[in-house]
Amino acid sequence: GENVEQHPSTLSVQEGDSAVIKCTYSDSASNYFPWYKQELGKGPQLIIDIRSNVGEKKDQRIAVTLNKTAKHFSLHITETQPEDSAVYFCAASGNTGNQFYFGTGTSLTVIP
Amino acid sequence: EPEVTQTPSHQVTQMGQEVILRCVPISNHLYFYWYRQILGQKVEFLVSFYNNEISEKSEIFDDQFSVERPDGSNFTLKIRSTKLEDSAMYFCAILAGVPNEQFFGPGTRLTVL
Repeated sequence: GENVEQHPSTLSVQEGDSAVIKCTYSDSASNYFPWYKQELGKGPQLIIDIRSNVGEKKDQRIAVTLNKTAKHFSLHITETQPEDSAVYFCAASGNTGNQFYFGTGTSLTVIP
Repeated sequence: EPEVTQTPSHQVTQMGQEVILRCVPISNHLYFYWYRQILGQKVEFLVSFYNNEISEKSEIFDDQFSVERPDGSNFTLKIRSTKLEDSAMYFCAILAGVPNEQFFGPGTRLTVL
């Protein structure tokens, strides 16, 4: 099955700086890569996703890049704010309806 | 964004007891999922449910687990005889209209004593 690895496990940045979280996957059949933000005591919230037919996607301060050849994808958060502090999970999936395989999570702390 | 509610928010039970966790998607969806997250660990897939039957299940989803959609609205996860290691957050998710996108509920924290 699919194996998703995520780095780093913890990340601290100063407010206004950028944060980058990286994930790798093993199954070349995976074609959908979402990123979730999880705040304490809440469920994962979808913040951005990318499909295998594109290399980059941006939504305001958040961007995701995908390198299919190398089987890795990354989350980029620019101009970080304290409210960005949370645990971020990457995931990989194949066809619609298939399960998500999650990474181990990155705890991001934005220091004011 | 589709809304998913889960009840109860927190369930405490004795080892060996049965628990039923409920998920209520606000609008009609075809795919439903249960995931669990042991404290401090990653989210793990349990089972997916499509067209009123199990579509896919993981090794975690053994005979003590079952799912059903009893009234066409609620989607339930039953654990027949809970074990200490079942203590976790259980998340329900639904597949949205856009292909692949899954939206998660707020979760039920299950504590087995």
